[in-house]
Amino acid sequence: QSALTQPASVSGSPGQSITISCTGTSSDVGGNNYVSWYQQHPGKVPKLMIYGVSNRPSGVSNRFSGSKSGNTASLTISGLQAEDEADYYCSSYTSSSTVVFGGGTKVTVL
Amino acid sequence: QVTLRESGPALVKPTQTLTLTCTFSGFSLSTSGMCVSWIRQPPGKALEWLALIDWDYDKYYSTSLKTRLTISKDTSKNQVVLTMTDMDPVDTATYYCARLKMTTRDFDIWGQGTMVTVSS
Repeated sequence: QSALTQPASVSGSPGQSITISCTGTSSDVGGNNYVSWYQQHPGKVPKLMIYGVSNRPSGVSNRFSGSKSGNTASLTISGLQAEDEADYYCSSYTSSSTVVFGGGTKVTVL
Repeated sequence: QVTLRESGPALVKPTQTLTLTCTFSGFSLSTSGMCVSWIRQPPGKALEWLALIDWDYDKYYSTSLKTRLTISKDTSKNQVVLTMTDMDPVDTATYYCARLKMTTRDFDIWGQGTMVTVSS
């Protein structure tokens, strides 16, 4: 049950698009469609942004989108805004009925 | 409205056992498909999944911590309890409980978290 692999940091200018990758194995990311993404601002509780690989909960901006190819899932933020600056974590349900998180990615808006 | 709230000691000594309680409302843990999980986050570090209990009393644990963890529920009280034995300073973290639904298998609602420091 190793952590999913995410880049430590990603940055972009306002208005740009950025993509965060999340790489796992065939036992987690590649083996089901239960990948989710969470946004966490400093000192705050994680917030669900994407579930089921590409679905947005009610109230989440459509600037956030998710996808998956093989063992790698991705979160794309389009039209980057200052308020998007936060840590982002991917998560996947596994074939062992456990859950694994990624190491987190710090998004910086330049 | 679904809410979860963690409670427990803010400070524990090394080798002691930590007991945390998650009290929730707005859903029932006896409803098919409902689960509650514990997740922790050391200061400045990533989220780490710990354990999950489902509506049918099935329990699942982090492979690396399973020998130290026990999760249980009291459906009548709407509570889930996590115990972690042999606490160490590296276990210092904010501990969250969160709801997971088997239909989507994501953590849609989180508690505010409780900070636990392990120090003598």
